Amino acid sequence: SAVISQKPSRDICQRGTSLTIQCQVDSQVTMMFWYRQQPGQSLTLIATANQGSEATYESGFVIDKFPISRPNLTFSTLTVSNMSPEDSSIYLCSVERSTVGTEAFFGQGTRLTVV
Amino acid sequence: QKEVEQDPGPLSVPEGAIVSLNCTYSNSAFQYFMWYRQYSRKGPELLMYTYSSGNKEDGRFTAQVDKSSKYISLFIRDSQPSDSATYLCAMSGGTSYGKLTFGQGTILTVHP
Repeated sequence: SAVISQKPSRDICQRGTSLTIQCQVDSQVTMMFWYRQQPGQSLTLIATANQGSEATYESGFVIDKFPISRPNLTFSTLTVSNMSPEDSSIYLCSVERSTVGTEAFFGQGTRLTVV
Repeated sequence: QKEVEQDPGPLSVPEGAIVSLNCTYSNSAFQYFMWYRQYSRKGPELLMYTYSSGNKEDGRFTAQVDKSSKYISLFIRDSQPSDSATYLCAMSGGTSYGKLTFGQGTILTVHP
């Protein structure tokens, strides 16, 4: 398994501001993923982050809104920029130990409320 | 149409009941099928995964996949109050290096 620590666990932010979420893993991993879980909704993949390369974003998500850093094999950040109430959600960091999606582990999530 | 459909429930059962959770999907490229459990204010936790069609058993949990019907199930036997959580199905095509597509999640409550 993998131990994943996310910070902050929750935050309340003013609209128009930005929040950076940190994800720390207890071991080196190639693939890190960022998901969004809106109230009553499924987990939706925002982007895939590889160390040393630009993140790959899913349809509907753009780098200007959700910039991601991946400076090394144990750490990543996701920034939610120029926030609006629609960005209120749980943001989850995930790591994958297999190449086919069968060994994914998640952090506890960051509960974001934008007011 | 969503790629993965899951009845959100909520589902409420008495302790000891057999629980059946289900997902349907439309993408025939999916080959790996996962079930996650998510407790309130926690991240999802992998319960088990199945490759292609068939059954897999792990203690009180049994996962079934019917690829011909594009239908997967998770059965929980002798359900316990500690099983109360949201259960999420997830799927992978096996070629997208770990990218998962999730169902909406089913909220389960097991009452004593």
